[in-house]
Amino acid sequence: EADIYQTPRYLVIGTGKKITLECSQTMGHDKMYWYQQDPGMELHLIHYSYGVNSTEKGDLSSESTVSRIRTEHFPLTLESARPSHTSQYLCASSERQGSSYNSPLHFGNGTRLTVT
Amino acid sequence: SQQGEEDPQALSIQEGENATMNCSYKTSINNLQWYRQNSGRGLVHLILIRSNEREKHSGRLRVTLDTSKKSSSLLITASRAADTASYFCATAPLYGGATNKLIFGTGTLLAVQP
Repeated sequence: EADIYQTPRYLVIGTGKKITLECSQTMGHDKMYWYQQDPGMELHLIHYSYGVNSTEKGDLSSESTVSRIRTEHFPLTLESARPSHTSQYLCASSERQGSSYNSPLHFGNGTRLTVT
Repeated sequence: SQQGEEDPQALSIQEGENATMNCSYKTSINNLQWYRQNSGRGLVHLILIRSNEREKHSGRLRVTLDTSKKSSSLLITASRAADTASYFCATAPLYGGATNKLIFGTGTLLAVQP
C-alpha cells in the first residue's frame, strides 16, 4: 500500500456548503493529482501539481480549486457544493524523474462525496 | 473515452481460469500502464510497459503491447477470487510533455467466482 491518505472517506453535505478534501503523502513525491471518477466510469484529471506553489487545471473542467503550499499536502476545495459535484475524488502522487513521464501513480483510497 | 477503451466491459470467470482484458488507444504513446481498483478503493499500479517493449511479465500477469494496432492486453493466469476488481489501462501520450498526465480507459470489471 502506498503512503497517500485522503480524508474524509465519505462526506454527505447540503448544497451551498464549502468543503475541503484532504490529501497527504509521505513519499516526498513532487507530482500530485486529483481525479474525479463516477461509478463504473473512467477517471478524469481535474487538477495537478509539479511541486510547491505549482498547480494546473486538468482535462476535465471543475469548479474546485487546489493549493500546494507543502510538498506533502494537496487539498481540494469546493466553495459552494452542488449536487452535480457528487462523485468520487481520487488523489494520486508520483515521483519526478527528470523529464521522464514514466512514473506510476500512487493513489489514495478516495473521498466519496454526496451533495444533497 | 478520450484515449483508452477497454474490452470487455465486464468479465466473469471461475477460479483457476485465465482472464484476458484488452485496451485500445488512439494516439502515439510513451508507455502504457495497467491498474487495479478494488471496490470503493483507489487504484493500484500493476505493470508498466514502454512503447519499445512488446511483452512484460509480473507474477501471474502478462502484458502485451502492439503499437501498430494501438492495443494492449492484460492476461491474468490461474485467477483467484481475490483478483475480483476493475482493471484500467492508462496511456502516457508521447507528445504530452513531462506532465505524466495519464489518460485512463473505461475499465474492465472482472469477477472471479470461487
